Amino acid sequence: EIVLTQSPATLSLSPGERATLSCRASQSINYYLTWYQQKPGQAPRLLIYDASSRATGIPTRFSGGGSGTDFTLTISSLEPEDFAVYYCQQRANWPLTFGPGTKVDIK
Amino acid sequence: EAQLVESGGGLVQPGGSLRLSCAASGFTSSSYAMSWVRQAPGRGLEWVSGISKSGNKYDVDSVKGRFTISRDNSKNTLYLQMSSLRAEDTAVYFCAKGYTTYDGVFDIWGHGTLVTVS
Repeated sequence: EIVLTQSPATLSLSPGERATLSCRASQSINYYLTWYQQKPGQAPRLLIYDASSRATGIPTRFSGGGSGTDFTLTISSLEPEDFAVYYCQQRANWPLTFGPGTKVDIK
Repeated sequence: EAQLVESGGGLVQPGGSLRLSCAASGFTSSSYAMSWVRQAPGRGLEWVSGISKSGNKYDVDSVKGRFTISRDNSKNTLYLQMSSLRAEDTAVYFCAKGYTTYDGVFDIWGHGTLVTVS
């Protein structure tokens, strides 16, 4: 099973600031990395797939990068609605696995 | 508009069984890979079971032999039959639709149904 670790666990930032979230895989997953956003009481929302492709309707302030074992999600300028938990997930091997999440909260 | 609605959750005793349903609307679920993902209270996401467009099935090790994913194409519905339930299976269970042809990427999620094993 591929293990994903995310850092930091919590990121405290102000609106307008840049957020950089990291996800590391226990072995190479090529570019098969997906990012989701989840707000309390809601289902996850697809943001980025295959490391850097934005899903339909996702604002351009969200961008993803990386390959192999190290990946990043960048939010260029935080909007109030971006404060949430972000999960990475790999689809290189079964079983699919998620990282533990990074909470982006308001400083 | 594509939508998924889960049902069937509830309170069950350890060792009991439950069947979750996920009704799809606005799209033909048999044309996509589908999965169940769960989230224990206050915890992160855990993928549980998936079924490909061609019908291949995959499970996380912790539910192998206890959970079975299936689909009824005539009803446009996905199921998760759960047996030998344990306290650690307590979670909100989401069903999720595969994103176009990408197995393992999920663009549409249901609201979830809570399963409590106690």
